[in-house]
Amino acid sequence: QQQVKQSPQSLIVQKGGISIINCAYENTAFDYFPWYQQFPGKGPALLIAIRPDVSEKKEGRFTISFNKSAKQFSLHIMDSQPGDSATYFCAASMRSSASKIIFGSGTRLSIRP
Amino acid sequence: NAGVMQNPRHLVRRRGQEARLRCSPMKGHSHVYWYRQLPEEGLKFMVYLQKENIIDESGMPKERFSAEFPKEGPSILRIQQVVRGDSAAYFCASSPGISQETQYFGPGTRLLVL
Repeated sequence: QQQVKQSPQSLIVQKGGISIINCAYENTAFDYFPWYQQFPGKGPALLIAIRPDVSEKKEGRFTISFNKSAKQFSLHIMDSQPGDSATYFCAASMRSSASKIIFGSGTRLSIRP
Repeated sequence: NAGVMQNPRHLVRRRGQEARLRCSPMKGHSHVYWYRQLPEEGLKFMVYLQKENIIDESGMPKERFSAEFPKEGPSILRIQQVVRGDSAAYFCASSPGISQETQYFGPGTRLLVL
């Protein structure tokens, strides 16, 4: 119930294309869904986040789509660039659990020039 | 404005030795979280601390692992009698308070147990 399932494990996209990463969760008590970006040798950095009362959030080229009834959410990266090549983690947390973050297993994204 | 700082960045220990990992949260942050990342895996929550208090240690192994966040100084994650399976990247994150979900991560400490 505490899991967040993420797919695909790896993804290769041509420059300028759309990168899509999907996540699913079981626990309806989750009330905060962040996405983190991690470059090799670095710590995760918050990219964008959404709450379940919103179906979509867009920040620049990054969009989160959220489907509360299906308990699924996804990250879309528009006009993908080589600099977007990194590992992306979806995550979930709930205030009642001291806000510890439950991470997905990660997607390694490579953007081909 | 300095971010979350962790040291050392890399640590090599032989089996049976102790490992001490340090984390200094961002200025103004009083909440610290420790996570472990095994190769090719996501981060797993270990422990959540406030100054002088352990709030949630549900992710900590019951033996050999301990954490503290003293009134003065950095948070310390201590691993006694390390084994090869402890080899991982250990990340610290901080936040201003429980109502602020955003956690800011440090660069991590890569522990290698020989």
